[in-house]
Amino acid sequence: DTEVTQTPKHLVMGMTNKKSLKCEQHMGHRAMYWYKQKAKKPPELMFVYSYEKLSINESVPSRFSPECPNSSLLNLHLHALQPEDSALYLCASSPSPIGPYNQPQHFGDGTRLSIL
Amino acid sequence: EDKVVQSPLSLVVHEGDTVTLNCSYEVTNFRSLLWYKQEKKAPTFLFMLTSSGIEKKSGRLSSILDKKELFSILNITATQTGDSAVYLCAVEDFSGGGADGLTFGKGTHLIIQP
Repeated sequence: DTEVTQTPKHLVMGMTNKKSLKCEQHMGHRAMYWYKQKAKKPPELMFVYSYEKLSINESVPSRFSPECPNSSLLNLHLHALQPEDSALYLCASSPSPIGPYNQPQHFGDGTRLSIL
Repeated sequence: EDKVVQSPLSLVVHEGDTVTLNCSYEVTNFRSLLWYKQEKKAPTFLFMLTSSGIEKKSGRLSSILDKKELFSILNITATQTGDSAVYLCAVEDFSGGGADGLTFGKGTHLIIQP
C-alpha cells in the first residue's frame, strides 16, 4: 500500500457519463500531479498543482478537468470521454514545489479506467 | 523538449546474474534524475540523483549519474525473481518557478528466470 490513496481502483463508464477520480495524501505534500499511463507505455504528465494552484497543464483535452480543493486532496473530473482515454490514471505527490532540489514524487496505485 | 532514452527495452537473465540498465537524457534545465520500479500498480521510488559521480546504494541496487555525459546507470547484483519488473528512468527539469512533472523513458522490462 502507498501513502497516496486513489479511489476508485477500477472504473468503467460510458462515453456520456460524468465521473470523478479522487486522490488523497496526508503527508503534508504541497505539490500534486496527475499522470496517464497506457498499457506497456510510461506515465505521461497531465497536470501539476503547486500549493493548490494549477501550475502545469500539458495540453490535456477539456473533457478532463482537475480540481484541488485543499492541500490533501486532488480530483480529476471526467466528462464525455472517448475509448482512447482508457488507461491507468496515476496520482503523485511531492513535499515542496519550491527550490532547486525537489524531493521524489510518490505515486498512488492508480485508477484503471475503461471507457465503453 | 525533454527526452529520456532507456536501454535495453527488455532483458531476460537468470537468477544470480548482475544487470546494468542504462538511461540517457536531454533536458533544458536539469534538476534531478529518478529511478522507479513498476510491477502491476504504482511506480515505487528507488533513487533520486542530482550530483555527478556519487553512487547511491540500497541493498543489491545501486545507481550513479554522469551529468557531463548525460546518462545514468542502475545496477542490480545477485538478481532474484522478485526483481522482475519494469524499471523506469525519469528526469525533472527546473523551470525556476515551482514543481515540474517528470518525463519518463519507455522503461526496461526485466525478467529474472529461476
